[in-house]
Amino acid sequence: SQWGEENLQALSIQEGEDVTMNCSYKTYTTVVQWYRQKSGKGPAQLILIRSNEREKRSGRLRATLDTSSQSSSLSITGTLATDTAVYFCATDASSGSWQLIFGSGTQLTVMP
Amino acid sequence: DTTVKQNPRYKLARVGKPVNLICSQTMNHDTMYWYQKKPNQAPKLLLFYYDKILNREADTFEKFQSSRPNNSFCSLYIGSAGLEYSAMYLCASSSRRISNERLFFGHGTKLSVL
Repeated sequence: SQWGEENLQALSIQEGEDVTMNCSYKTYTTVVQWYRQKSGKGPAQLILIRSNEREKRSGRLRATLDTSSQSSSLSITGTLATDTAVYFCATDASSGSWQLIFGSGTQLTVMP
Repeated sequence: DTTVKQNPRYKLARVGKPVNLICSQTMNHDTMYWYQKKPNQAPKLLLFYYDKILNREADTFEKFQSSRPNNSFCSLYIGSAGLEYSAMYLCASSSRRISNERLFFGHGTKLSVL
């Protein structure tokens, strides 16, 4: 497996709180993508971060990538109930392979 | 239009019977993917087409077939469904030509094998 965590993680927080989700991967990569899947829908890309960026922001989202520790994180500030979803990190099976492999994901529940 | 469409939304199949799932996209993407997703697990890549070239994952090579008659359509075929095939099947597309790693997903087809 490309990813360190094999089982779905679960987080439950109150609306307005900040949250950080983490992924660790095994094979060298230069790009990590984060996707969100809401109930009844397919995954949708939230943010893509490259190794030369180390940190990337998009609205309330912040992604980091540390190639030395082979890990990535996604933070959401001021969560809303509508942020409730499963969040996946994903990367290429091998550099430039265009075979996107997903981590097991984090089920985030934001309670109003 | 950035939509990937999948049909049907729900599919009921009997053990031992064939199953054919359909996906279409109108973004002129060169690459189309099929993923299998089971509850509490990550989406698992089954196969993908780059233009007309099919790439199947080694561990699912014999279980799934696919066709891509034109750029817009891609099917996933199971010759003889088993209980273990019950899952959500997600189709996605992307464009290598513009070096866009982003995948666009359909809403999925939920397959239940009885």
